[in-house]
Amino acid sequence: DTEVTQTPKHLVMGMTNKKSLKCEQHMGHRAMYWYKQKAKKPPELMFVYSYEKLSINESVPSRFSPECPNSSLLNLHLHALQPEDSALYLCASSQVGGSRGNEQFFGPGTRLTVL
Amino acid sequence: AQSVTQLDSHVSVSEGTPVLLRCNYSSSYSPSLFWYVQHPNKGLQLLLKYTSAATLVKGINGFEAEFKKSETSFHLTKPSAHMSDAAEYFCVVSGFYNTDKLIFGTGTRLQVFP
Repeated sequence: DTEVTQTPKHLVMGMTNKKSLKCEQHMGHRAMYWYKQKAKKPPELMFVYSYEKLSINESVPSRFSPECPNSSLLNLHLHALQPEDSALYLCASSQVGGSRGNEQFFGPGTRLTVL
Repeated sequence: AQSVTQLDSHVSVSEGTPVLLRCNYSSSYSPSLFWYVQHPNKGLQLLLKYTSAATLVKGINGFEAEFKKSETSFHLTKPSAHMSDAAEYFCVVSGFYNTDKLIFGTGTRLQVFP
């Protein structure tokens, strides 16, 4: 299985809602990532988990809260988002965090709209 | 610091003609370089990667790229474009001190006309 899956595909939420994005991989990868991508822009790194521990937080606002329950799963909890947080949220995984040449495998993304 | 520059924001070709997407990189060290493709409303798919082995790298769907250290370039080519190649292409370098961080170029949108 060489897939990264993400649910839901689309999400519409109000600014007072709480929701979660889910990501799963079964490739045995020990590094997992969250990216945010605005239209016509490259992805921006948000968080990195390496061996289920948060290793990088790119100064992301606290209304985004990541969680890595185990080596296959990655969640992104959303609360009190702003309309400018509307974007495509991409999850990725890689074989071993920190090794050169380890490509990241991306999921299809969750299209988030904040009203 | 490492960076990548994609020299064209848009490239248009006719189906069956060659494709050239240009990428220059800046790195104090021997970099790991990647090309990813993103079709509309989809995730990113790895086309190919360079990690200091052969300088001519072959990827999926007939794409290849050549690492030229003297020119600090990693251009992506394909001999004959197909309609399905229309997409956004990102040239990416891996951070040296923290290889978890990918540094993306701004992207090149490839249009393919029939």
